Amino acid sequence: EPEVTQTPSHQVTQMGQEVILRCVPISNHLYFYWYRQILGQKVEFLVSFYNNEISEKSEIFDDQFSVERPDGSNFTLKIRSTKLEDSAMYFCASGGTARNTGELFFGEGSRLTVL
Amino acid sequence: QQQVKQSPQSLIVQKGGISIINCAYENTAFDYFPWYQQFPGKGPALLIAIRPDVSEKKEGRFTISFNKSAKQFSLHIMDSQPGDSATYFCAALGGSQGNLIFGKGTKLSVKP
Repeated sequence: EPEVTQTPSHQVTQMGQEVILRCVPISNHLYFYWYRQILGQKVEFLVSFYNNEISEKSEIFDDQFSVERPDGSNFTLKIRSTKLEDSAMYFCASGGTARNTGELFFGEGSRLTVL
Repeated sequence: QQQVKQSPQSLIVQKGGISIINCAYENTAFDYFPWYQQFPGKGPALLIAIRPDVSEKKEGRFTISFNKSAKQFSLHIMDSQPGDSATYFCAALGGSQGNLIFGKGTKLSVKP
């Protein structure tokens, strides 16, 4: 069964450092997303990406964040200068083949710990 | 208006019982309402979803009831099993590009 894969599963970094989280979405999906879940809290939308550009982003997704699809398979989230409050689980999701049905498939997440 | 309110925060049910989780929304532009199941250390997994043109959808032991006029929807888990113990999130499709607005989650514990 196709799945969304994410690396690394856990990353520990110092405040102010840059972090790149990587995702391989399901191959025939067209819509890609990053969500964040602070421990014990709800899943929060960060950004959606379609047709090689950001289609929508939340207020959380400020100038410290960027996304990229550098090749045909990977989808990355970069945090330029991490803050303590960036510590969370980051989930990549993908969905939609011909059109966006709203049905999203999530990866297992990358846990980011900022010290 | 972009919120989805979910209750209860936690729920304990005996094996074989019915688990009921409720959600409410405000934005009438939402047109897709999925429920996600999340086990510890895992990503959310789509469980069942409904669109507002139907009032109920059933898949096995899981049923979504949808009340468009009240802007509420609920998940019913019949014959709850210990393996159903997980956190359940309701969500609503909040934008044209498919970004989901999640509720705060309900931690379900099914006691044997």
